[in-house]
Amino acid sequence: DAGVTQSPTHLIKTRGQQVTLRCSPKSGHDTVSWYQQALGQGPQFIFQYYEEEERQRGNFPDRFSGHQFPNYSSELNVNALLLGDSALYLCASNRGRVSTEAFFGQGTRLTVV
Amino acid sequence: GQQVMQIPQYQHVQEGEDFTTYCNSSTTLSNIQWYKQRPGGHPVFLIQLVKSGEVKKQKRLTFQFGEAKKNSSLHITATQTTDVGTYFCAGKTGNQFYFGTGTSLTVIP
Repeated sequence: DAGVTQSPTHLIKTRGQQVTLRCSPKSGHDTVSWYQQALGQGPQFIFQYYEEEERQRGNFPDRFSGHQFPNYSSELNVNALLLGDSALYLCASNRGRVSTEAFFGQGTRLTVV
Repeated sequence: GQQVMQIPQYQHVQEGEDFTTYCNSSTTLSNIQWYKQRPGGHPVFLIQLVKSGEVKKQKRLTFQFGEAKKNSSLHITATQTTDVGTYFCAGKTGNQFYFGTGTSLTVIP
């Protein structure tokens, strides 16, 4: 039983570019949340997807957008990259919208140069 | 805005000593979760507390949720080198979890 898988594991982009990160939730999970973790900080909630719709959103600009597919996998898109977007992007999945144990993926390390 | 703070930020202990990290929220939480993140790894769920004053134990780990549901603690008895990592609390307000700043634990053999 695969856990949460994210791709790619590492990525280097140039300021101003756009990036798409991907996440496959744990089998049986239908809710996907995305987090940004800067070095030495706790994860910051970006948004959550359930039933292919964005249900909750943290304090992130519109440059951050996402999508959830019918198979529950999800994408995180970031436009007009800034140096400050460099971070570990974590995807977490759980079953249903009610608070339950969340399983995190290994993350995508994004570096913006 | 909502803030979840943890203290201490760093803790170095000799193997066998006890360790405690404290989590404090600026607002009342509906529940709180604790995660452990090893260096270079991702957060791994440890436990969820829901009730006011709740105490849960997992072997050497004891988790507590405050009576006012605004603070929580994690206590590790007789630390081992395998306990090394950063411990995060994540408090839920509304439908969103707010992660704390984390406590990085180093265990000296």
